Amino acid sequence: DTAVSQTPKYLVTQMGNDKSIKCEQNLGHDTMYWYKQDSKKFLKIMFSYNNKELIINETVPNRFSPKSPDKAHLNLHINSLELGDSAVYFCASSRGLAGRGNEQFFGPGTRLTVL
Amino acid sequence: AQTVTQSQPEMSVQEAETVTLSCTYDTSENNYYLFWYKQPPSRQMILVIRQEAYKQQNATENRFSVNFQKAAKSFSLKISDSQLGDTAMYFCAFYNQGGKLIFGQGTELSVKP
Repeated sequence: DTAVSQTPKYLVTQMGNDKSIKCEQNLGHDTMYWYKQDSKKFLKIMFSYNNKELIINETVPNRFSPKSPDKAHLNLHINSLELGDSAVYFCASSRGLAGRGNEQFFGPGTRLTVL
Repeated sequence: AQTVTQSQPEMSVQEAETVTLSCTYDTSENNYYLFWYKQPPSRQMILVIRQEAYKQQNATENRFSVNFQKAAKSFSLKISDSQLGDTAMYFCAFYNQGGKLIFGQGTELSVKP
């Protein structure tokens, strides 16, 4: 029973392409997140949605656009991919509003490689 | 700006021994939450332990315990009776009132047989 799932797990693409990563959670949570883990394993939040509404939007290039069609899904679309976008992207979810210390459950990550 | 610092990039420990991973953070908030997450080679992020800042009692979860020193802004993780399966990257994280989970740089722990 997968709690937070991401597709695909691996994504290899050329510079300049547009790609999407999908995330789904079956935990009934109402807050979802996207994180980026760089080559040095540093994790940083990119976006957070609560009940389909954007609540955290870190300094991320406009080429990155999250979309939440419903509470259980948060997709990440990336336009005009660059070499520096190569990283592992994690989706996560939590119950309730962020900031109340609710545990975040992470997906397995998507390793994006831009050639 | 709120920051989380893990000053030990790598550590190793013999199986069955005890190891302590350090973490310090910087914040002006009074109410917040602290976490330790584990990331094994499988890449999956797994919550190890959580501490509420308003609780003075240190959190424990089986072989994992923390030493939370609020005044010193220190939150170290102690792993007792280390097992091979504890080999992983360990991240300290701070959850601020704005709802952001801020991670430290990580400590790569190797448990040796």
